[in-house]
Amino acid sequence: DQQVKQNSPSLSVQEGRISILNCDYTNSMFDYFLWYKKYPAEGPTFLISISSIKDKNEDGRFTVFLNKSAKHLSLHIVPSQPGDSAVYFCAGAGGTSYGKLTFGQGTILTVHP
Amino acid sequence: KAGVTQTPRYLIKTRGQQVTLSCSPISGHRSVSWYQQTPGQGLQFLFEYFSETQRNKGNFPGRFSGRQFSNSRSEMNVSTLELGDSALYLCASSSPRGAGPTDTQYFGPGTRLTVL
Repeated sequence: DQQVKQNSPSLSVQEGRISILNCDYTNSMFDYFLWYKKYPAEGPTFLISISSIKDKNEDGRFTVFLNKSAKHLSLHIVPSQPGDSAVYFCAGAGGTSYGKLTFGQGTILTVHP
Repeated sequence: KAGVTQTPRYLIKTRGQQVTLSCSPISGHRSVSWYQQTPGQGLQFLFEYFSETQRNKGNFPGRFSGRQFSNSRSEMNVSTLELGDSALYLCASSSPRGAGPTDTQYFGPGTRLTVL
């Protein structure tokens, strides 16, 4: 049972344009969502998070949107830079599941110069 | 502030052996979680420790175990290694307070385990 899904395995974007990465979840107990960026053979790097009481959170070039009714979240990167090329994971957490993040399968973002 | 550190970074073992991996959390963090990353299954939660107690456990066989010390450092052990245990093992720390499920986790660089 895949509780967090990232349906796009890859995304290719031109430098300077917007990158939009999508994530769907099924577990209604999730009340906190996070996005991580990962390079091969390295640990994930935390980017941005959002609580279920909000529908938007911004941090610099990164904005996360949460649509609870649709159980959907998205990460917007504006403007995209070549250094943003990496695998992006969304993760859900909540309920009484201490210390457990449930990850999607990841989306490979490639930003072309 | 130093990040999460994991040792060793790379390990090669043979089937049937056992292995111990170590994780030092960010100073002041009291919760340590472990994950396994494989190409087929993605990032999967193994277990979480807080104040030397396992609070949560994922769906892994009993060959996978862990512990946490009084200084919050954690180890995980895999006994009777199988080929399918080859993976990147990641630990993450969170929460100076160890309060709840929604604290942001910060990951270490991982240990790449290869089982031959």
